[in-house]
Amino acid sequence: KQEVTQIPAALSVPEGENLVLNCSFTDSAIYNLQWFRQDPGKGLTSLLLIQSSQREQTSGRLNASLDKSSGRSTLYIAASQPGDSATYLCAVLYNNNDMRFGAGTRLTVKP
Amino acid sequence: DAGVIQSPRHEVTEMGQEVTLRCKPISGHNSLFWYRQTMMRGLELLIYFNNNVPIDDSGMPEDRFSAKMPNASFSTLKIQPSEPRDSAVYFCASGPLAGDTQYFGPGTRLTVL
Repeated sequence: KQEVTQIPAALSVPEGENLVLNCSFTDSAIYNLQWFRQDPGKGLTSLLLIQSSQREQTSGRLNASLDKSSGRSTLYIAASQPGDSATYLCAVLYNNNDMRFGAGTRLTVKP
Repeated sequence: DAGVIQSPRHEVTEMGQEVTLRCKPISGHNSLFWYRQTMMRGLELLIYFNNNVPIDDSGMPEDRFSAKMPNASFSTLKIQPSEPRDSAVYFCASGPLAGDTQYFGPGTRLTVL
């Protein structure tokens, strides 16, 4: 069964801290992995997409890594800001065209 | 571009009624996805189209759900008859290609009484 798990479910940090969100998946036959951000009552915004052949992607203060062999991805957020408060979802696209989302990590950055 | 456009934004209907959700993808995108999000089940892929052709509808819950994409700029998701358990937020997303970054619409919040 192709499952995607995100830990922790919720995280609260003071402004300025660096933090790591975790995503794990059970099947290594992935096509790519995406990290999304979702604000309350809104749709998803794609943050980073990592192809199966890549190890990491960076965009500004965000860095996502991918380790297919261990079935893990991390999203690193540097120097967190209150505006980073949102739910972060990990989505895995498998080679059989099945796309699975994690339940998300709800991040709160306190001023 | 205005992004992915969905309508209506909110829909309240009674059990047994037909519901039609609409989506306009970003111009030039070749893939379109319909998702459903609930507290209990999270985000689920229902169906996706590539060049207006349905590729994978294995996520469609049952025969009451149907999706069409008559042209590159419009898609519908229809539920007939609707049931209270269909209450959820339904998202449409589009992308240049099926494996590329997806751009989500704002969603339609459906409540079936």
